[in-house]
Amino acid sequence: QKEVEQNSGPLSVPEGAIASLNCTYSDRVSQSFFWYRQYSGKSPELIMSIYSNGDKEDGRFTAQLNKASQYVSLLIRDSQPSDSATYLCAVRGYNQGGKLIFGQGTELSVKP
Amino acid sequence: DTAVSQTPKYLVTQMGNDKSIKCEQNLGHDTMYWYKQDSKKFLKIMFSYNNKELIINETVPNRFSPKSPDKAHLNLHINSLELGDSAVYFCASSLFQGLAGTSYEQYFGPGTRLTVT
Repeated sequence: QKEVEQNSGPLSVPEGAIASLNCTYSDRVSQSFFWYRQYSGKSPELIMSIYSNGDKEDGRFTAQLNKASQYVSLLIRDSQPSDSATYLCAVRGYNQGGKLIFGQGTELSVKP
Repeated sequence: DTAVSQTPKYLVTQMGNDKSIKCEQNLGHDTMYWYKQDSKKFLKIMFSYNNKELIINETVPNRFSPKSPDKAHLNLHINSLELGDSAVYFCASSLFQGLAGTSYEQYFGPGTRLTVT
C-alpha cells in the first residue's frame, strides 16, 4: 500500500464547476496535510495546509480533513481553465520532522 | 526578490560525470531540503539540513552528497552520474520542524532538470 494515494486522473471538469480532489494516507498518526499545485514544467506551489479535522476555506479552495478515515480532500469552486494543473497531496507524519510524503498527483483539466 | 533559487535550471551531461546543483533561499528559513521528481512526477525527499546539520537522509546512493555552508544555502553534488539520475531536482526551505512539533510550510525552488545521456 502506498503511503499517500491520489487518483492519478486526469480529472476533467467544465469551467465553473466544482473540482474534487481526493487523497488517502496510510500512517494513522500523520499530523499535517498540504496541497500543492504544480503547473507543467514548474515547481510545486503551496495552496492549502490543514492540521485538524474539518474544513478550511481559502478563497475558492476548501481543504477537508477526516483523520478517522485517513482522508484529505481539496475542493475547487468555480473552476477556471487556469486551475488546470497537477495537484499534489503531501503528508507529514508524526515524529517525521520536516519529511513530507507526496502522493503521485492528480491531473486536473478545466474545460472552457 | 526570488524566495528560493536554484542554479542551473537545466543540466545536460554524460554518464560518469560529476555535477553540482546550488540552492539559495532568502526567506529567513533555517531548514532546507532536496527533493527528486521522476518522469512520472512522483516527488520524493532526499535530504534535509537544519542550520548546516543533516537531519533527514533518505535511502539515496552515496554518489549524492549534500552540503550546506550556511542555513541559506544547500548544494547537491552528484558523482559518477547514471542514466537513472535523470530527473528534476527541487530545493525547498522552511522553518525548523521538530520531530513532533509545529508544522511549517515548505516552499520550493524552480527546479533543476538534469538529463544524463
